[in-house]
Amino acid sequence: QSVLTQSPSASGTPGQRVTISCSGSSSNIGTYNVDWFQQLPGTAPKLLIYSNNQRPSGVPDRFSGSKSGSSGSLAISGLQSEDEADYYCAAWDGRLNAWVFGGGTKLTVL
Amino acid sequence: EVQLVESGGGLVQPGGSLRLSCADSGVTFGANWMTWVRQAPGKGLEWVANINQDGSQKYYVDSVKGRFTISRDNARNSLYLQMNSLRAEDTAVYYCAIGDHCDHWGQGTLVTVSS
Repeated sequence: QSVLTQSPSASGTPGQRVTISCSGSSSNIGTYNVDWFQQLPGTAPKLLIYSNNQRPSGVPDRFSGSKSGSSGSLAISGLQSEDEADYYCAAWDGRLNAWVFGGGTKLTVL
Repeated sequence: EVQLVESGGGLVQPGGSLRLSCADSGVTFGANWMTWVRQAPGKGLEWVANINQDGSQKYYVDSVKGRFTISRDNARNSLYLQMNSLRAEDTAVYYCAIGDHCDHWGQGTLVTVSS
């Protein structure tokens, strides 16, 4: 199992707001920043949020991130069909001296 | 614009070796950390290794330590992953990514370890 824990699935209807969580520990999210990646079907991952809450240029402001303690969250507002994808959190782990990913959350737009 | 292109994947027998390459057509290669991430068929992402700008710092996931070596050639804007003693569980699409936060990714190259 992954060092960072994500729910395997999430869903929402168009226009809705959904939140995806990522639970870690003091050696990773509790100390270091969280990044989020979006992987559309059949494509390479794409950086969505970095350093907990920063959006790279070109990422819509419907996507937002936050961190509290040893957990991170990704929120998607105004859900659209093209948001259907797998979402992964990631952080550096100071105990392992390695980057660690969450297991991924598959988002379905109903 | 950053464009990363991986190559070198293919079918290899258990115990064999492969060398993956990642070429960057941009101008910022030498100023950035570089990372390899893999994804087994139908599975999630797994960080494999990364290397700092001048190659003096390298980190690996435990499962590949002693078998894989990450390196870079800044003059050629290229990143490499030498993979030895390959196992079936190394079968995956291997992606290279550039930047402190894996800001940009290549399209991936498939490595299949099977007899």
